[in-house]
Amino acid sequence: EDKVVQSPLSLVVHEGDTVTLNCSYEVTNFRSLLWYKQEKKAPTFLFMLTSSGIEKKSGRLSSILDKKELFSILNITATQTGDSAIYLCAVRRTSGTYKYIFGTGTRLKVLA
Amino acid sequence: SQTIHQWPATLVQPVGSPLSLECTVEGTSNPNLYWYRQAAGRGLQLLFYSVGIGQISSEVPQNLSASRPQDRQFILSSKKLLLSDSGFYLCAWAEGPLLAKDEQYFGPGTRLTVT
Repeated sequence: EDKVVQSPLSLVVHEGDTVTLNCSYEVTNFRSLLWYKQEKKAPTFLFMLTSSGIEKKSGRLSSILDKKELFSILNITATQTGDSAIYLCAVRRTSGTYKYIFGTGTRLKVLA
Repeated sequence: SQTIHQWPATLVQPVGSPLSLECTVEGTSNPNLYWYRQAAGRGLQLLFYSVGIGQISSEVPQNLSASRPQDRQFILSSKKLLLSDSGFYLCAWAEGPLLAKDEQYFGPGTRLTVT
């Protein structure tokens, strides 16, 4: 059965800290891995990764995929209180199936 | 640009009452459409997805159903709500397979409380 596992489930840090969120997967016919940030309502898209070893970066956020070891990490440097959210990881299989398999999410709280 | 709408934003319904949640997408054609449910503070559970008008795939057996009467309209329904149906319901869309883009975009969600 396909599954996506995120760790830790929750995390509390102080402003300025660096955090690393983990996403491991066991999915047949992997196509892509996506990261989302969810604050109060709709998840917002952060990154999509398809190739191993290529880092995607946006400001203080970055993410990388390891297709051999079947995991991805999301790094946030110099955290701010606005980074407090649930971070979701999802995997899509190759075309022909249209589903996204989501992990349970990591709840991040950044204290001032 | 594409926009996804969901309504209502919040809903309080008694056990045994019917349910209808609506989702519409603007600015794209033939999208793949999805309904998810999210328990408090946790990940997303896929309920239904649709790759075209009248084509619905169900992921979780339950007392919910979905319909896609028009290309950019997706409806989630129930004839009789259960307490366990409470949750945050999210509609999402992604480009159809021929366009080969993987990003999935979410509507604002409906928070349903069954009392």
